Amino acid sequence: DAGVTQSPTHLIKTRGQHVTLRCSPISGHKSVSWYQQVLGQGPQFIFQYYEKEERGRGNFPDRFSARQFPNYSSELNVNALLLGDSALYLCASSPFRGGVNTEAFFGQGTRLTVV
Amino acid sequence: SQQGEEDPQALSIQEGENATMNCSYKTSINNLQWYRQNSGRGLVHLILIRSNEREKHSGRLRVTLDTSKKSSSLLITASRAADTASYFCATAGGGSNYKLTFGKGTLLTVNP
Repeated sequence: DAGVTQSPTHLIKTRGQHVTLRCSPISGHKSVSWYQQVLGQGPQFIFQYYEKEERGRGNFPDRFSARQFPNYSSELNVNALLLGDSALYLCASSPFRGGVNTEAFFGQGTRLTVV
Repeated sequence: SQQGEEDPQALSIQEGENATMNCSYKTSINNLQWYRQNSGRGLVHLILIRSNEREKHSGRLRVTLDTSKKSSSLLITASRAADTASYFCATAGGGSNYKLTFGKGTLLTVNP
């Protein structure tokens, strides 16, 4: 089975632009979470979706939004990009609603650079 | 905000030696997990230890958990050059069962 896939792998955007990042979870996994990892830091939780509904949100501004589709894939959208949004964005999937009571399976991430 | 703090921030050892990394956290947890990350790419799950467990083994990995001290340690025995990576502890629970809270990580370098 394929693991968690994210696209694109790298992206360069200009300040003020909008970006959409995509994630396909492992087949059968209904929970998708998004994390932001700034260079030199650990990942920070942004969102969790389960069965197409938002189940948790981290401490990020409203410029960040996400959604989950009927096939359980997910998009992370960031509006009005700032230089500080430059980071590695990681998607993780899990078969369970709780999401974190078992291991999470991470994709390889999307490296976003805002210039 | 970061929940866990790994110690040390960086560790350099020779192949064959053991590597020990520590993690401290602040709130109550359901479980604590260790992940590995190579060159800033995806995270790979290594081991999960539940709050009612004290020690767990997986191959060359040994994890301990002391909930009274809110701390955990990861021991990698007989290290190899391929173990070179960043290692993160992540906590789950404390009222939030939908997210992992990561520390800043330990960069392990294993020299051949």
